[in-house]
Amino acid sequence: QVQLKESGPGLVQPSETLSLTCTVSGFSLTSYGVNWVRQPPGKGLEWMGTIWNDGSTDYNSALKSRLSISRDTSKSQVFLKMNSLQTEDTAIYLCARAESTPLGWYYFDYWGQGVMVTVSS
Amino acid sequence: DIQMTQTPSSMPASLGERVTISCRASQGISNYLNWYQQKPDGTIKPLIYYTSNLQSGVPSRFSGSGSGTDYSLTISSLEPEDFAMYYCQQYDSSPLTFGSGTKLEIK
Repeated sequence: QVQLKESGPGLVQPSETLSLTCTVSGFSLTSYGVNWVRQPPGKGLEWMGTIWNDGSTDYNSALKSRLSISRDTSKSQVFLKMNSLQTEDTAIYLCARAESTPLGWYYFDYWGQGVMVTVSS
Repeated sequence: DIQMTQTPSSMPASLGERVTISCRASQGISNYLNWYQQKPDGTIKPLIYYTSNLQSGVPSRFSGSGSGTDYSLTISSLEPEDFAMYYCQQYDSSPLTFGSGTKLEIK
């Protein structure tokens, strides 16, 4: 069945770079896009960016200068790298598969459980 | 960026009650609107996509409607498992944006 699982360090120092991995199973990254979404403690959801099935990317303009999303299709993994972390980047980071059709549907049909990242010295 | 204003932010309700959650976009989004449910353990699942399409496996007591800038999610008769957070999301234009969420609580 379809699964997504995030992994990465739980604690990152301010000004350093965050590296996260989303390992997927049950589908191919060449058939579906994967998105990163984050949720600060007690707050709402923020879309960070996507890597489409063709490998192209789209980023939230608010994060674009700090964010990079890539993938390794042979390992079924999607990577997030974000630099210059600050305390306000403390959040749960989630990856989600995107379902889309030419009919105009586009939504996140499967989500990982998320990984908590704390930015603190 | 398109701002999504979701109301109410919290809603006490009773089992069996009919509830409606609203989502207003800062500009027209051509029905490109999804709804998600987040359980207290953090699990997120899609409920409704493209305004009114029910995701497979989601009970028929959930429904969505709307057009232009105004959209809504209705639960016709609340079950215990429906007490959770609900978020709308627009995908008309990048960046994709979510509403601030509605916490459905037991009255």
